This record gives sequence, C-alpha cells and structure tokens, in this order.
Amino acid sequence: AQTVTQSQPEMSVQEAETVTLSCTYDTSESDYYLFWYKQPPSRQMILVIRQEAYKQQNATENRFSVNFQKAAKSFSLKISDSQLGDAAMYFCAYRSGGTGNQFYFGTGTSLTVIP
Amino acid sequence: DGGITQSPKYLFRKEGQNVTLSCEQNLNHDAMYWYRQDPGQGLRLIYYSQIVNDFQKGDIAEGYSVSREKKESFPLTVTSAQKNPTAFYLCASTIFPRVEEKLFFGSGTQLSVL
Repeated sequence: AQTVTQSQPEMSVQEAETVTLSCTYDTSESDYYLFWYKQPPSRQMILVIRQEAYKQQNATENRFSVNFQKAAKSFSLKISDSQLGDAAMYFCAYRSGGTGNQFYFGTGTSLTVIP
Repeated sequence: DGGITQSPKYLFRKEGQNVTLSCEQNLNHDAMYWYRQDPGQGLRLIYYSQIVNDFQKGDIAEGYSVSREKKESFPLTVTSAQKNPTAFYLCASTIFPRVEEKLFFGSGTQLSVL
C-alpha cells in the first residue's frame, strides 16, 4: 500500500503571509493523482487542489498552489495571502491511476492563522 | 443539489450495543467508502465498495460491518466487538473507474460511548 507522510502536525502563519505545508508519498507507480483537502472546524472535507502526476505543470487555484516534485515524491501546498478562513486541518491524499479504488491520506497538518 | 447525507450527526452507544450509521448519496457514484478519523491519525479506511452487493475490508475493518444493497446507500454498523468506537466517521463516494476524480465527503457522524 502507498504511504503518505505529513511531517508537520501543526503550523502557524501570520494573516496575509505565505505558508507551505509539506507532503511526501511512497509509490512505485508512475500514474497517480494527488489531492489536498481542507477540514475546517465544521469538519466538512473540502477539496483544495488536485495534481495529476503526468502533468509537469504545478496546479494552482487562486491563492493555493502546489510544488510537485515527482522524482522526490513531494507534493507541498503553498497558501499565499493567508486569511483567517484558511485555519483548518489540511490533509494530503494519494489515488492510484491504476486500480484507483483507494485513497491514501496523511495524518494532517493543523494550520493556525494569526491575526 | 447532489451530495452525500450522513445521519445522525451525533450518536451514542451503550456497552454491548450495535449501532448503525447511515450514508446516502444521490451523485450516482459507484464507489463508496467509510473512514474513521481519530485525532492525530488522519483518515483510516474501514470498508469500501465499488459496486452493489460487493465490498472490501480496509485497514481497520475489525468490529465493523457494512452492506451495499443499493447503489446510493452504504450503511456502517459498529458492533459490540469494536472496543474503542469513539471517533468521527466519514462516508465518501467517487466515480469509478475514473481515477482522476476526487472523493466527495459527507458531513460526518460523531460516535461516542456512554
């Protein structure tokens, strides 16, 4: 089974500043998909951004972008111009492009935004 | 609006009691999943199902059971054999085998032991 590692249990950022959350994964596959999910205090899981492994271009969604390093098996999330509403748990997830029937999640990073 | 409905939002279990968590989706998704979330441990897979009348154990299936009699429904029973059931339970679904698709989540059920 693939493993996903988030080595930062907690992070904090000043409002309007930039923060980067780390994620690494272990796989022998060449085709897969990576996701970042946000879980605010409501505990509703929300997709933040998705990256296809076959695409070299890093995905971007407004203030959220990723740094995808396929050779290093690294998939970090950068949040620019941090807002109070960004405070949440963030989970990195992996889905195989082959069988594709399972998602593997990291243990999460709790992000605090300081006003 | 399409989505996943989990009920109840909060559930309490007595010793020796089985309880069932409901999960219904109207997204016409083939694949459905149950995850358990404990603080500091992320999401752990309990069971998943790709088609009606078929399901597979995940990493922590002991003490849990599921059924998939209808495409839109995937209830989870927490049996008395599960000795530490207090956790937040998330149901999810996705299109299969379109592997580029994300997981869609319900709003979760918090289960506690009385």
